[in-house]
Amino acid sequence: EVQLVESGGGLIQPGGSLRLSCAASGLTVSSNYMSWVRQAPGKGLEWVSIIYSGGHTYYADSVEGRFTISRDNSKNTLYLHMNNLGAEDTAVYYCATNGEGYFDYWGQGTLVTVSS
Amino acid sequence: EIVMTQSPATLSVSPGERATLSCRASQSLSSNLAWYQQKPGQAPRLLIYGASTRATGIPVRFSGSGSGTEFTLTISSLQSEDFAVYYCQQYNYWWTFGQGTKVEIK
Repeated sequence: EVQLVESGGGLIQPGGSLRLSCAASGLTVSSNYMSWVRQAPGKGLEWVSIIYSGGHTYYADSVEGRFTISRDNSKNTLYLHMNNLGAEDTAVYYCATNGEGYFDYWGQGTLVTVSS
Repeated sequence: EIVMTQSPATLSVSPGERATLSCRASQSLSSNLAWYQQKPGQAPRLLIYGASTRATGIPVRFSGSGSGTEFTLTISSLQSEDFAVYYCQQYNYWWTFGQGTKVEIK
């Protein structure tokens, strides 16, 4: 059974940094296309970033230059490093697999709140 | 960016009735469209991919149709557990979602 478990969210001041983790079981992170998708409170879904099995990474324009996606193969864990956070980054962050383009497995999400 | 527009924003339906949700893309997607169901406090759940293929474990009352720029999700006979928000998502060029349709009890 595939399980994705996010952690690392919390309350952070504007301009701060945070690292989210997504621990996977039942699949190998390095062999899959893995994405982060976020959802602001009461809003819709927004794709944030992807890391391909070959290691290439891509970002939404809204986070380009501030966020970095990475993985630790030994820990079978996906990360999202977030810098220079603003109120607009407040959201639940989900990790998900999207090998065929659609998002088939999702974690339960971790809430990031950017506020002073 | 491909913009996805869902209608209606809210759909009021009685249990046992049919629900029809629409999704329009700003440019052609071929069949690269998925549908998700999201309940409060939960992650989205994949229902349909390839515009019309049900994901594993999804009941047959859920069906998807369409291609190009116009797509439809039909729930043939609404059950109590189907009241939720539904999102369409394109994966033809990057990944974007519609704003969602809330299916509520009439």
